Amino acid sequence: QQQVKQSPQSLIVQKGGISIINCAYENTAFDYFPWYQQFPGKGPALLIAIRPDVSEKKEGRFTISFNKSAKQFSLHIMDSQPGDSATYFCAASIVYTGANNLFFGTGTRLTVIP
Amino acid sequence: NAGVTQTPKFRVLKTGQSMTLLCAQDMNHEYMYWYRQDPGMGLRLIHYSVGEGTTAKGEVPDGYNVSRLKKQNFLLGLESAAPSQTSVYFCASSPVAGNQETQYFGPGTRLLVL
Repeated sequence: QQQVKQSPQSLIVQKGGISIINCAYENTAFDYFPWYQQFPGKGPALLIAIRPDVSEKKEGRFTISFNKSAKQFSLHIMDSQPGDSATYFCAASIVYTGANNLFFGTGTRLTVIP
Repeated sequence: NAGVTQTPKFRVLKTGQSMTLLCAQDMNHEYMYWYRQDPGMGLRLIHYSVGEGTTAKGEVPDGYNVSRLKKQNFLLGLESAAPSQTSVYFCASSPVAGNQETQYFGPGTRLLVL
């Protein structure tokens, strides 16, 4: 059972447009919500993250919007660039036994067309 | 700093064969993780370790064993490989203090079981 549901599976956006990826979860014990970016042939790398006590976090062109009551969070990429073309994973974690074990969404392959 | 490294990069096994995947990190991180990545499934946690000499099961541990004899190394073993274990395997590590939640991923090992 997928603990974090992610959509869409793939996304094509024109250069300069806004890319939006959505995630939803059920477990209210999750206390940390990161987004990872993965380029082909590489491992995922942390892009941006948010805690549930904040409704929005912005870092440059990347923004996470968090809706605790709806148990949903989303990634917005403003002014999307061809270099943003990658697979994006949302995730959620619970701290137990001292480790932050991440539960990942299924990923969104973003293609930004020049 | 090399960060997180994985060996080998690619391996082909026959059903029933065994092998060990090696993960090494030079960041003095306390926590280490093994994930598998399958199309449409995202990344799923196999096993993790919160310190030298300790290991624990993740989401999909069946068919795998791990060892953490040294702090910087985390080994993933397949005793009798099955075609269902064809996947890309990622190792990750994270620190104890500071930005504990950030997991740093290696480049991955692509495994094909025939």
